[in-house]
Amino acid sequence: EAGVAQSPRYKIIEKRQSVAFWCNPISGHATLYWYQQILGQGPKLLIQFQNNGVVDDSQLPKDRFSAERLKGVDSTLKIQPAKLEDSAVYLCASSPINLRREAGGYTFGSGTRLTVV
Amino acid sequence: AQSVTQLGSHVSVSEGALVLLRCNYSSSVPPYLFWYVQYPNQGLQLLLKYTSAATLVKGINGFEAEFKKSETSFHLTKPSAHMSDAAEYFCAVRISYDKVIFGPGTSLSVIP
Repeated sequence: EAGVAQSPRYKIIEKRQSVAFWCNPISGHATLYWYQQILGQGPKLLIQFQNNGVVDDSQLPKDRFSAERLKGVDSTLKIQPAKLEDSAVYLCASSPINLRREAGGYTFGSGTRLTVV
Repeated sequence: AQSVTQLGSHVSVSEGALVLLRCNYSSSVPPYLFWYVQYPNQGLQLLLKYTSAATLVKGINGFEAEFKKSETSFHLTKPSAHMSDAAEYFCAVRISYDKVIFGPGTSLSVIP
């Protein structure tokens, strides 16, 4: 099966600019996650979708970050305006609907490495 | 508070030597525990997971981990390190039925 697709792989922007990342999960996976991984740290959950609804966005800096999954399939994560501290790898992951059995057994995309200068 | 700690941010082993990466956790629900590996410029790949069945879990690439409830540990081991094992390793614990948190990671170097 095809994996989780993410684009772009790399992005360099200046602070205060905006940027968007795209993720296409594994076909049929109802749950989609966006994680932020700062260099030297473990991934931190930003937002979780179940189909096209938000399940958890408690860690999303809503003043500058937004995400959507309008049709319950692919998703976009946007940052506007970007700050220097947003430099990180943004990982997308998906999991099947049967979360009790599969919890944690996520499939991750390769990520987008964002550098804010 | 629910958390994951990984003792040692960097571990170096000689090729052929035992690999031991440590993970301790705290969880308010019955723990599901995971080890992920991340190679340079790639996403995370699931190595193995413990979901309340056998306490000794075998994963891919010859890795295994043992769940010890009394020690709240889930250490990752491999009998003989290979150069291709050099990567970042993350331990993770379920904190709700559909959510996990990750430890800070351990960078493994393998010396020829």
